[in-house]
Amino acid sequence: DVKVTQSSRYLVKRTGEKVFLECVQDMDHENMFWYRQDPGLGLRLIYFSYDVKMKEKGDIPEGYSVSREKKERFSLILESASTNQTSMYLCASSLRLRMTNTGELFFGEGSRLTVL
Amino acid sequence: AQTVTQSQPEMSVQEAETVTLSCTYDTSESNYYLFWYKQPPSRQMILVIRQEAYKQQNATENRFSVNFQKAAKSFSLKISDSQLGDTAMYFCALVDGAGSYQLTFGKGTKLSVIP
Repeated sequence: DVKVTQSSRYLVKRTGEKVFLECVQDMDHENMFWYRQDPGLGLRLIYFSYDVKMKEKGDIPEGYSVSREKKERFSLILESASTNQTSMYLCASSLRLRMTNTGELFFGEGSRLTVL
Repeated sequence: AQTVTQSQPEMSVQEAETVTLSCTYDTSESNYYLFWYKQPPSRQMILVIRQEAYKQQNATENRFSVNFQKAAKSFSLKISDSQLGDTAMYFCALVDGAGSYQLTFGKGTKLSVIP
């Protein structure tokens, strides 16, 4: 079974702190994603990566950066956390999407971040 | 731009009954894939069912089935014989078949199964 592991289930940080959210997948997937989940807003894509050292902005990249130095690991970085970044963060991975690919995402359990 | 709309923020159903969750979408692509994902409370999101747009036959997975109406751009999920473990957030999602990496998600429907 595919396993996507997020390093922290719950974090509490203070405004202005630098925050690292780590995600590791064990199925050699090319694609990795970071989503933000807020009530009433669904899932919004922050960044995704389709290969090592490659990244693409999603719908809401402002205030975030990412790092993918190894294929299995995708990190989300909040350079200076703000209260409006309090949210649930979901990491996901998938095989490379192609016409014949089903595009199924495999999710981690999520990291609930509270910024005070 | 693609959009996915789930018009029912919350629903409830009695155990053993049938419930249908609605989803409409919009895309300019002719080939695409549609998905229903389930997120149980405090657990990870998992894929429930997928549908390829070029397939006319509605997908079925055990108690879960879809009603795919391509012309109407509608993709509803039917859950038969509802069980307590079906209590979850359900998200409808779309990806085009042209090589896009990005799924577009709806805002979700919170389903409660009542004993």
